[in-house]
Order: sequence, then structure tokens, then C-alpha cells
Amino acid sequence: EDKVVQSPLSLVVHEGDTVTLNCSYEVTNFRSLLWYKQEKKAPTFLFMLTSSGIEKKSGRLSSILDKKELFSILNITATQTGDSAIYLCAVVEGGGSEKLVFGKGTKLTVNP
Amino acid sequence: NAGVTQTPKFRILKIGQSMTLQCTQDMNHNYMYWYRQDPGMGLKLIYYSVGAGITDKGEVPNGYNVSRSTTEDFPLRLELAAPSQTSVYFCASSYRLQGSNQPQHFGDGTRLSIL
Repeated sequence: EDKVVQSPLSLVVHEGDTVTLNCSYEVTNFRSLLWYKQEKKAPTFLFMLTSSGIEKKSGRLSSILDKKELFSILNITATQTGDSAIYLCAVVEGGGSEKLVFGKGTKLTVNP
Repeated sequence: NAGVTQTPKFRILKIGQSMTLQCTQDMNHNYMYWYRQDPGMGLKLIYYSVGAGITDKGEVPNGYNVSRSTTEDFPLRLELAAPSQTSVYFCASSYRLQGSNQPQHFGDGTRLSIL
């Protein structure tokens, strides 16, 4: 049973479109939620969210967490072909190990 | 600053062979992790370590072993390679997240094929 569920699994858009990626979770002892971008190699860190309702923003990307409803969204505005990647959501479980539990990812393709 | 370094980058093994995937980090992180990523899937935790001399199983530990004799190194060993272990393996490291805003840092991965 998946603890972290991302949707959609795949998305194809045109340059300039705005996209919203979803991540819902169900873990005990929630500590934080992270978003990563994965192109060809290792995931690269985008955001860490620990508090509800506080938007994190970096350029055209933004993200917000709702701890009551147990989900997060990642928004990308004015998409570019360089945004094409797999976006991974992961939740940190506390309890000492700081383990990440990953969702399956959303594969975003941005066409020119 | 090298960060997390994994070797080799690619490897092909025959069924039943053994090998060790190397991982080293130069950030003095206490926490280290091994993940595998199968096509179309997220990362699944194999083993992790919260400090030198301490290791524990993750979600998919069967068929693997680890050791953590130093803070820097966290090798992953496959004793009897099986086709189901064909995957991309990522090593990561981190500080404790509590009181820290630092996420896990990932290596570039090792692509392993078992034939």
C-alpha cells in the first residue's frame, strides 16, 4: 500500500502552460515533505515543506503543504522545455532515521 | 566539494555473481541511505545508516548487505545477483533534519544490469 501517491503519473503540455502536480501522503510521525526534480541522473532538491499554508517559491516554481488534508502541490508557471523531467514527492518520517518515502513521480513533458 | 560519489556508474553482472557498489561522502553527514529506482517507479529504500557502526533495513533489503565502518563510506553488497536486482541504485546522505533545513544529497547513481 503506497504511502505517498502522486498524480498525474504523466503529463504532456506546451511551452507557456501552467501545471499543477499533486502529492498526497499517509505516514505516521510526519516530519516534512520534499519535492525533487529528476532529469537524467540524481534527483535534485527543489523544496522542503514543514508547515501548512506557507508557500515556498523559486522562480516559476512554487509549492504548498496542507497538513490537515495531507497533500502538497507543486506549481510550475510559464513552462519551458527544460522543465521536462520526473518530479518526485517524498515524505520524511521521523523516529530517528529521517527516512524518505517516495511517490512514483510525475513525468512532465513540455513540448515546444 | 565532491558531495556524494558513487562508483561504478554502470555495471553488467551475470546471475549469481557478487559485487559491491561504493558510496562515499565528504560532507561529514551522519545519515546515509541506499535506494533503488526501477523504471517508472519512485525510489525505494534498501538500507540506511544513522552513523558509523549502525545500519538498519529499509523497505526492500532482501538480497543486499551493507556496512558502515567510517562516517564517509557506505558500500552496498550484492552477494548473489538476480535479474530482479536490475535497477538504478542511488546513495544519499544527510544531517539530521530536525533543526536543519538540509535535505538528502544524492549521488549520480549506479546503473546495474543482471543478465
